[in-house]
Amino acid sequence: AQTVTQSQPEMSVQEAETVTLSCTYDTSENNYYLFWYKQPPSRQMILVIRQEAYKQQNATENRFSVNFQKAAKSFSLKISDSQLGDTAMYFCAFMKLRTGNTPLVFGKGTRLSVIA
Amino acid sequence: SQTIHQWPATLVQPVGSPLSLECTVEGTSNPNLYWYRQAAGRGLQLLFYSVGIGQISSEVPQNLSASRPQDRQFILSSKKLLLSDSGFYLCAWSVRTLAYNEQFFGPGTRLTVL
Repeated sequence: AQTVTQSQPEMSVQEAETVTLSCTYDTSENNYYLFWYKQPPSRQMILVIRQEAYKQQNATENRFSVNFQKAAKSFSLKISDSQLGDTAMYFCAFMKLRTGNTPLVFGKGTRLSVIA
Repeated sequence: SQTIHQWPATLVQPVGSPLSLECTVEGTSNPNLYWYRQAAGRGLQLLFYSVGIGQISSEVPQNLSASRPQDRQFILSSKKLLLSDSGFYLCAWSVRTLAYNEQFFGPGTRLTVL
């Protein structure tokens, strides 16, 4: 079974600064996807970024980027130029690459507060 | 475009009462459907998933059940609620393709069992 671990329950960062959220996972699969989801106070789950395990290049979406270390099973999220709207719970998630049903396995989340 | 609806948005129920939460998806056909629960201070836990009408798989043994009476309708039920059933319930859907299928989440239902 796959597990996802987020070791930082809470973090804070000054506005305009950079912050990195950690995530490690355990799996015997070779092909899979990794995700970071954002859950703001509205509770709506929003996909921030995804990474295909077969791609060595780290994914980037505007101010969000990841550091994917497959051998170490590490998948951290870097948020640059933090904005107040980035305040939210952030969940790291794993998904097997296969046909049909592919449920997500989530970590417990990191609560990020951006301070003005 | 596709949309996913959940209702009710908020629910307060006494212990021992029944439960029915509904999730519907619009704008797509034959989706995979999922129910997740987010308990206070914890991550999301997959409860049920469905790859078709009448096809339900349970991930965790519990007091809840799920049904899929129509292609784009997914219902979460309980005959008798427990205090431990309190939480935030999220429904999600994904396209049933051969490759990557991103999951899209509904707005959620906050359930409080008293």
